[in-house]
Parts: sequence; structure tokens; C-alpha cells
Amino acid sequence: AQTVTQSQPEMSVQEAETVTLSCTYDTSENNYYLFWYKQPPSRQMILVIRQEAYKQQNATENRFSVNFQKAAKSFSLKISDSQLGDTAMYFCAFRSWGKLQFGAGTQVVVTP
Amino acid sequence: GAVVSQHPSRVICKSGTSVKIECRSLDFQATTMFWYRQFPKQSLMLMATSNEGSKATYEQGVEKDKFLINHASLTLSTLTVTSAHPEDSSFYICSARDLGGENTEAFFGQGTRLTVV
Repeated sequence: AQTVTQSQPEMSVQEAETVTLSCTYDTSENNYYLFWYKQPPSRQMILVIRQEAYKQQNATENRFSVNFQKAAKSFSLKISDSQLGDTAMYFCAFRSWGKLQFGAGTQVVVTP
Repeated sequence: GAVVSQHPSRVICKSGTSVKIECRSLDFQATTMFWYRQFPKQSLMLMATSNEGSKATYEQGVEKDKFLINHASLTLSTLTVTSAHPEDSSFYICSARDLGGENTEAFFGQGTRLTVV
């Protein structure tokens, strides 16, 4: 069974600064996908970024980038130039055969 | 991205009654839909996976007679909470995947806050 671990319950960052969220996972699969989802106070789940395990290049989406270390089973998310609208719960997720497995989440609070 | 509509967004029902939650994919066909439950300040817990035209697959510990799932078409799945009790109060979220295959992402509905009084 796969497990996804997010060890940081809450992170605080000032506007325009950078914050990095950690995520580790455990799997015996070789082909899989990793995701970061954002859940703002509205509770709508929003896909932030995705990474295919077979790709060595780290995914980037505007201010969001990942550091994917397959051998270490690590998948961290970096938010650059943080904005107030980035305040949300962030979930790391793993998918191999259809089902998404979520981590416990990290609450990110961006302060002025 | 694709749109998944979940209805209602909030519902209050009396103990012992049943309540139905709908999940619709508006601009794509979803072979597979997923139902999650989320308690306050916790992660999403997968309840069941439904495939169009077949019986849902429930996760361990989820009562299939309590949480009835129907996926009658490629654009609609429903979750019915039967004989609801206060402990069923929670936030329920659906997601749907496009027909495209393994490498396509799932899109989420807005969620339904169920309160059983």
C-alpha cells in the first residue's frame, strides 16, 4: 500500500517570500503520478502542479515548482513570491492505478 | 480545466432520513468517479470508486448499504446517505476523470456540507 507523508501541519510565510512544503511517499510502483492540490477556505480542490514519475525534469507552473527526487521518494513544493491568495491547505497526492492517496495536508498562511 | 458540478453545496437533514448528493461532469465524459469524505482540518478519505454501468468499489470500513452510489451515466454519479445520523455529518467531495486514460487528471466538485440534526 502506498503512503503519503506531509510532516508540516502549518507553515507561515510573508508576502513575496518563498516557502517550501515537504512530501514523502512510499511505493513499490515504478510508474505513478504525483500532485499538489490546493484547498482554499471555499474547500474547492484545485490542482496546483503534477509530476509524472518517468520524467526527470521537475515540473513548474508559474510561481509553483517541485523538487522531485525519485530515489528518495520525495516531492516538495516551492511557492515563490507568495501572495495572500496562496493561503490554503495544500495536499500532496500520489496516484498509480487510478486512486489518489492524499497526505495529511499543510496549512499555508501568507501574511502581509 | 474540466468542470465537475456537485449539488447541493449544503444540506441539513433530520436523523433517519436519506439524502442524495449529485456529481456531474459538465463538459466531459467520466468513466470513473470518486467519492471522498473530509472531516474538519483533515485530509480527504476515499470512500468509493464508481465506474459507469457497474457496481461501486468501496474502501475498507465504508458501509455500502449506508452510502449508496449509483453511476448510471457517463456524466452523473450519485451518493445517497441512507438513514442518516449525526455522525454522518461531514464534507463530501466527488471527483471525476476523463475517458482519456491513466495519464489524465481528476477534477473535483465543489463539495457538499452535510449536517444531520
